[in-house]
Amino acid sequence: DAGVIQSPRHEVTEMGQEVTLRCKPISGHNSLFWYRQTMMRGLELLIYFNNNVPIDDSGMPEDRFSAKMPNASFSTLKIQPSEPRDSAVYFCASTPTGLHTIYFGEGSWLTVV
Amino acid sequence: AQSVTQPDIHITVSEGASLELRCNYSYGATPYLFWYVQSPGQGLQLLLKYFSGDTLVQGIKGFEAEFKRSQSSFNLRKPSVHWSDAAEYFCAVLMDSSYKLIFGSGTRLLVRP
Repeated sequence: DAGVIQSPRHEVTEMGQEVTLRCKPISGHNSLFWYRQTMMRGLELLIYFNNNVPIDDSGMPEDRFSAKMPNASFSTLKIQPSEPRDSAVYFCASTPTGLHTIYFGEGSWLTVV
Repeated sequence: AQSVTQPDIHITVSEGASLELRCNYSYGATPYLFWYVQSPGQGLQLLLKYFSGDTLVQGIKGFEAEFKRSQSSFNLRKPSVHWSDAAEYFCAVLMDSSYKLIFGSGTRLLVRP
């Protein structure tokens, strides 16, 4: 199994630019999560989808952040416009419904300058 | 509110020594508990999990953890640490009703030669 695949692994962008992070969950997994990791706040759940539908987006920090899951094998997290305080590691994770074990991708390391 | 506490920010042990990383949780129902490890620049890897049954669970890389309901704890142990175990370790609890995984703040393990 290829695991959860995220791209890009690293991105450096200028403040004000749009950033799009991509995720391919493990095949057959019904639930997908986006987490953000920072030194100050640790690991935070941003949003999670079940069967491609957003169930809980209460962790999305503000309107500059949006996430979509157009099909079972692809999700995006978009930041527009980006700000330096968005610099963090963004993890995508997935799980098959009912099994509770959540598998994480390698992360997308974002730096906004 | 549900929470996970890892009281030790850093722990340093000598190679070959035993290790115990502490984790306490606050959750009204029977929790699903996890330990993840994050090596520098890497994603989160699942070490072990507890859902029910035997309160002593075995994981990968020689780690084990014991669930103690009376103490609301799920401490991670390893009898003999290797230099490659140097990493950050995260305890997490899963809210069954919503699939929301709550992480502790992490414990960074340093291994002395």
